[in-house]
Amino acid sequence: DIQMTQSPSSLSASVGDRVTITCQASQDINDYLNWYQQKPGKAPKLLIYGASSLETGVPSRFEGSGSGTDFTFTIISLQPDDFATYYCQQYETFPLTFGGGTNVEMK
Amino acid sequence: QVQLQQWGAGLLKPSETLSLTCGVHGGSFSGYYWNWVRQTPGKGPEWIGDVNHSGGNNYNPSLKSRVTISIDTSKKQFSLTLRSVTAADTAVYYCARGYYGSGTRIKVYYLDYWGLGTLVTVSS
Repeated sequence: DIQMTQSPSSLSASVGDRVTITCQASQDINDYLNWYQQKPGKAPKLLIYGASSLETGVPSRFEGSGSGTDFTFTIISLQPDDFATYYCQQYETFPLTFGGGTNVEMK
Repeated sequence: QVQLQQWGAGLLKPSETLSLTCGVHGGSFSGYYWNWVRQTPGKGPEWIGDVNHSGGNNYNPSLKSRVTISIDTSKKQFSLTLRSVTAADTAVYYCARGYYGSGTRIKVYYLDYWGLGTLVTVSS
């Protein structure tokens, strides 16, 4: 299986901050990577697919980049609704695998 | 608007069989891959497997020997069966719609609609 390693596992930030999360794949996955947001008690919500494509309806303050094994997810200006846990997920090979998550907390 | 409604037993004893069903409301049923994903508290989601409208499957090798995902296109439903459960199978189980697309040097597969989740507890 392809292992997905996210860092940091948690971070504290304030509204308006720029937040960056990284995701590293254990092997080359091209740009076959998605990012999801999850809030407590809710299902994950798709934000970005194909490493950098924004899902319809998702605010443009969310950005994704990267290819190969190293990927970055950025919230350009953190908003109150963005405090949540974020997961990367690869689809280069079955089984689909997710990262361990990054919890974005209020400072 | 696409909605996924899931149901099934939430409390099982070890060695019993987990059965969950997900109904799809709105949108097309064909042309998508229908997935099951589970998650334990504080951990990342674990993909269980998927089924397409023709009944073809992909499964996580870690669960493949115990899992069946089936589809009923007439009812726009798909189901998860997990046999011989143990406490390690305790988790929130989600159904989700998978979109797959491919082109020249491009491939996408993402889970864009999810059910609300069902907490399944395995305890004697």
